[in-house]
Amino acid sequence: EAGVAQSPRYKIIEKRQSVAFWCNPISGHATLYWYQQILGQGPKLLIQFQNNGVVDDSQLPKDRFSAERLKGVDSTLKIQPAKLEDSAVYLCASSLSRSHSTDTQYFGPGTRLTVL
Amino acid sequence: GESVGLHLPTLSVQEGDNSIINCAYSNSASDYFIWYKQESGKGPQFIIDIRSNMDKRQGQRVTVLLNKTVKHLSLQIAATQPGDSAVYFCAENRALGTEKLVFGKGTKLTVNP
Repeated sequence: EAGVAQSPRYKIIEKRQSVAFWCNPISGHATLYWYQQILGQGPKLLIQFQNNGVVDDSQLPKDRFSAERLKGVDSTLKIQPAKLEDSAVYLCASSLSRSHSTDTQYFGPGTRLTVL
Repeated sequence: GESVGLHLPTLSVQEGDNSIINCAYSNSASDYFIWYKQESGKGPQFIIDIRSNMDKRQGQRVTVLLNKTVKHLSLQIAATQPGDSAVYFCAENRALGTEKLVFGKGTKLTVNP
C-alpha cells in the first residue's frame, strides 16, 4: 500500500514570497490533515478535511494560509506571504474515516520550508 | 491551555536495555492516547495506542501504561535496538470544539551500541 505522498520535500524562499505544498493521501482515506512542525516541537494541527469539506481550521492563520481539497483526494496548502516564523516542516496525514479518535493517522514525509 | 508534555527531552540507553519514555497530559477528558516515533527526515509513525478505559496495552516489544489518576502516560521499549533511535511523541485525542490530536514536544531516544 502506497503511503502519503508530499511534494516538494524541501523549499527555500524569501520572506513575503508565496509557496504551495501538495499532498496525496492514502487511497480511500476520507480524512486529510495538515500539520505544522516547528523544529524541536510536536506537530500542530492546521486544518482537517473530511472528503472536500473543512472540519477544523481553528488553528490555521487565515490571513496568510489557505488550503483546499477540491475533489476530496489531493490537497494543497498555500502560504502567501511567508514570514520568517513559518519556517517549519509541513506534514500531511490521512485516516480512513471521519472519526480520528478511532482511526490511525498516517503521515507523509513532510515538506521542510525555510524562509529567509 | 494545551499541555501534553514530556518529563525528559533526551534519553540515552545501551543496546539491549529497556527504555521508558514518560509523558504528562493535562486534560482529564482526553479519551485516547497515541505514541508516535519520528526518525530524522520522516513523518511520525504510529507505534501503539491506548484508550482511557484501559491502563495497559502491549505490542511487539512495546508497552504503553496509562495512569489516569496522575494523568501520566509511559512507553516502554524492551531490548532497545539501534533502530529504535528516534524522537518519540505522545499525543492525546482531545475534544476542543472538534476532536483533534494534541502532540507533546517529544523525547529524543539515542541507543548506544
